Amino acid sequence: DAKTTQPNSMESNEEEPVHLPCNHSTISGTDYIHWYRQLPSQGPEYVIHGLTSNVNNRMASLAIAEDRKSSTLILHRATLRDAAVYYCILRLYNQGGKLIFGQGTELSVKP
Amino acid sequence: SAVISQKPSRDICQRGTSLTIQCQVDSQVTMMFWYRQQPGQSLTLIATANQGSEATYESGFVIDKFPISRPNLTFSTLTVSNMSPEDSSIYLCSAWDPDTQYFGPGTRLTVL
Repeated sequence: DAKTTQPNSMESNEEEPVHLPCNHSTISGTDYIHWYRQLPSQGPEYVIHGLTSNVNNRMASLAIAEDRKSSTLILHRATLRDAAVYYCILRLYNQGGKLIFGQGTELSVKP
Repeated sequence: SAVISQKPSRDICQRGTSLTIQCQVDSQVTMMFWYRQQPGQSLTLIATANQGSEATYESGFVIDKFPISRPNLTFSTLTVSNMSPEDSSIYLCSAWDPDTQYFGPGTRLTVL
């Protein structure tokens, strides 16, 4: 399975931007990069996904390196409600819809 | 976006018994998945359940222990059989709709 590597934890201050990195050096050309987050006592929640180009939505931005071996999830202004575990996951083209979760990054936000 | 519900939300069971968890999606979906999340851990995929075919299990999970049904495009069940305390986990179902995977709230299972 294609593997992603993320820092175990990160800290941010409220209302500051947060950059969550992810390495995926074994990605193939047809694998999508997905980000999900899991708030305490809830199921994972979709954040954003992309293939090659940078992506923006109401929740976050996804910056994908030109060689696609890494990506960064950007939360433009962190709030206390953004404290969660963030998972960077590759959706493998040749394995249908399977998402294999790594350990994720636990983001804490300080007021 | 799909809305997924699960029943029960939590249960406490005795070892050796079985529990069936239900997962309902508010729209028709092709692929459904079952995950397990042990305390303090990430999610581990148990199996993929497609309507009209047998579930496909990941390494380390077997049908006798985790039988799955998928009778239609909106519903699936996962049974945890012959439970032991090691089965104490949160069990989550999910589905694609169409290019985003949505997750249920999970079923918190405690086995005594």
